[in-house]
Amino acid sequence: GAVVSQHPSRVICKSGTSVKIECRSLDFQATTMFWYRQFPKQSLMLMATSNEGSKATYEQGVEKDKFLINHASLTLSTLTVTSAHPEDSSFYICSAEVSYNEQFFGPGTRLTVL
Amino acid sequence: GQQVMQIPQYQHVQEGEDFTTYCNSSTTLSNIQWYKQRPGGHPVFLIQLVKSGEVKKQKRLTFQFGEAKKNSSLHITATQTTDVGTYFCAGVSGGYQKVTFGTGTKLQVIP
Repeated sequence: GAVVSQHPSRVICKSGTSVKIECRSLDFQATTMFWYRQFPKQSLMLMATSNEGSKATYEQGVEKDKFLINHASLTLSTLTVTSAHPEDSSFYICSAEVSYNEQFFGPGTRLTVL
Repeated sequence: GQQVMQIPQYQHVQEGEDFTTYCNSSTTLSNIQWYKQRPGGHPVFLIQLVKSGEVKKQKRLTFQFGEAKKNSSLHITATQTTDVGTYFCAGVSGGYQKVTFGTGTKLQVIP
């Protein structure tokens, strides 16, 4: 199946700093990628839909100025958590759309903000 | 907004017993997907159901999509320890085909 990678897998940062997470589709091109957030023992919450070459579409309640998404190429989308705070600590997962409504997920990035 | 609920939230079964998780959407879906997430891992796509009343099988797993396209179920026959994980359904609906994940069912299999 299709492979999606994420980097880094874990990151610990100080409050107030910014963190960039990369999501890559390794063996296919993805026009659309998705960013999810998962709190411990909870379901995945869609944060935004990232479309190559255009602005991301954010879900209600997600601050676009805090969670910057860039989808500069058909194989790379990035999520930057700006001015991170402890409440931003979470598991962030990206996915890439392979075909009609079939997504492949990256391994996730665990962010801890001290 | 659309809500997708799953029951039960947790299920402990003895190895060899059957297991079923149910998924209910507040709105009619265009299709539904099922994912499995192992502890510490990421969601892995299992299957997609599109047609009303559709039934699909993958070895010991049986997936059903309700006639009204608002509910679905996943049934595992004769569970094994490798079945451990959290099973999520994800409903797809709306003009933008938005995917909403269910609340998940965590399965624990006792050897």
